Amino acid sequence: RKEVEQDPGPFNVPEGATVAFNCTYSNSASQSFFWYRQDCRKEPKLLMSVYSSGNEDGRFTAQLNRASQYISLLIRDSKLSDSATYLCVVVGGAQKLVFGQGTRLTINP
Amino acid sequence: DVKVTQSSRYLVKRTGEKVFLECVQDMDHENMFWYRQDPGLGLRLIYFSYDVKMKEKGDIPEGYSVSREKKERFSLILESASTNQTSMYLCASSLYRSNQPQHFGDGTRLSIL
Repeated sequence: RKEVEQDPGPFNVPEGATVAFNCTYSNSASQSFFWYRQDCRKEPKLLMSVYSSGNEDGRFTAQLNRASQYISLLIRDSKLSDSATYLCVVVGGAQKLVFGQGTRLTINP
Repeated sequence: DVKVTQSSRYLVKRTGEKVFLECVQDMDHENMFWYRQDPGLGLRLIYFSYDVKMKEKGDIPEGYSVSREKKERFSLILESASTNQTSMYLCASSLYRSNQPQHFGDGTRLSIL
């Protein structure tokens, strides 16, 4: 089993829709979690950290479920500019970040 | 803003050459990392470093070495480049504390002919 697993997609949704991704992780001792966004042929950029109580940043909401070992990202009122690959990241042992393979999202006009 | 700078965006080298990829960060971060990213395989950690002159193997260190002589600079070395090392190489840095995110450079797209 991979340490971090994501549905690779692609997800194709119309502009204005709400879309959600899940990401599961295998190391129950993991303490820190992030969502990154990566545009085509660009570097990953931090989108948001994921806190235990859940957190929101504008149209984006991140949640953590420790019991089931997954994190989620919800995007409301999606924009064309949200089209990207979204990477789930879990901090494993020895401060190493473990990246999921990413979920590709395309927002259609 | 954190700035992580990689020396080249695109690089073409020949099989057997020794290749140096340079990475510099300007935020006094202790941790630095080298990844490669390939379609279908995601980001894979090659080497990382928590301090000057310190290095640790990542998940795929074979065929690579690193150097960290100064805190701000982390170099990746392909001792004898091979075609299967054609990839996108990404450098990242972060603060020492384990719950800190990593900040990435623009990446170097390396082609080995």
